[in-house]
Amino acid sequence: NAGVTQTPKFQVLKTGQSMTLQCAQDMNHEYMSWYRQDPGMGLRLIHYSVGAGITDQGEVPNGYNVSRSTTEDFPLRLLSAAPSQTSVYFCASSYKGGRNSPLHFGNGTRLTVT
Amino acid sequence: TQLLEQSPQFLSIQEGENLTVYCNSSSVFSSLQWYRQEPGEGPVLLVTVVTGGEVKKLKRLTFQFGDARKDSSLHITAAQPGDTGLYLCAGGPLKTSYDKVIFGPGTSLSVIP
Repeated sequence: NAGVTQTPKFQVLKTGQSMTLQCAQDMNHEYMSWYRQDPGMGLRLIHYSVGAGITDQGEVPNGYNVSRSTTEDFPLRLLSAAPSQTSVYFCASSYKGGRNSPLHFGNGTRLTVT
Repeated sequence: TQLLEQSPQFLSIQEGENLTVYCNSSSVFSSLQWYRQEPGEGPVLLVTVVTGGEVKKLKRLTFQFGDARKDSSLHITAAQPGDTGLYLCAGGPLKTSYDKVIFGPGTSLSVIP
């Protein structure tokens, strides 16, 4: 099983550019989420989805959009990149979501905005 | 201000030593999870503690959930170089949405051979 697959692994953007970070899982998990990881800050929740067609905001949603048209995919869109969005982004999924469900993570996308 | 605090932030020890890292909050959690993250990879779940006062063991790792469900600790006995990594605690505070899982800032552990 591939698990959670994130693409690309690395990306450099100029301020104002847009891009989409891809996330796909092949475990038939209902719940998917996006985190960003910055030094000393841990992982901060950006957006999450409890199923196809349903999304909700996390702790730091500003500047990011998501959609969930299929169970397998949960792309994260940056409409106008800013240097403050330089970070490592992780996608995670779990079978049913919720506090007690273990999260399965991808290996991250390292984004630099200049 | 982070809802979950972890200490220490960094820890460097010799192989064979024992250590304890802590995860604390002013909020009550229904459960807490511990993850380990290695460089260039995503976090991997180690354990979930659910009941106040619960103790779980995973080989040389012992996890404890505080009686009030506001804190947790991870104790490693006879640390080995393979234990090196970033240890993260995570959970969903009772006062927030059931599906929001937040993370602490992590403890970076280095075990020197």
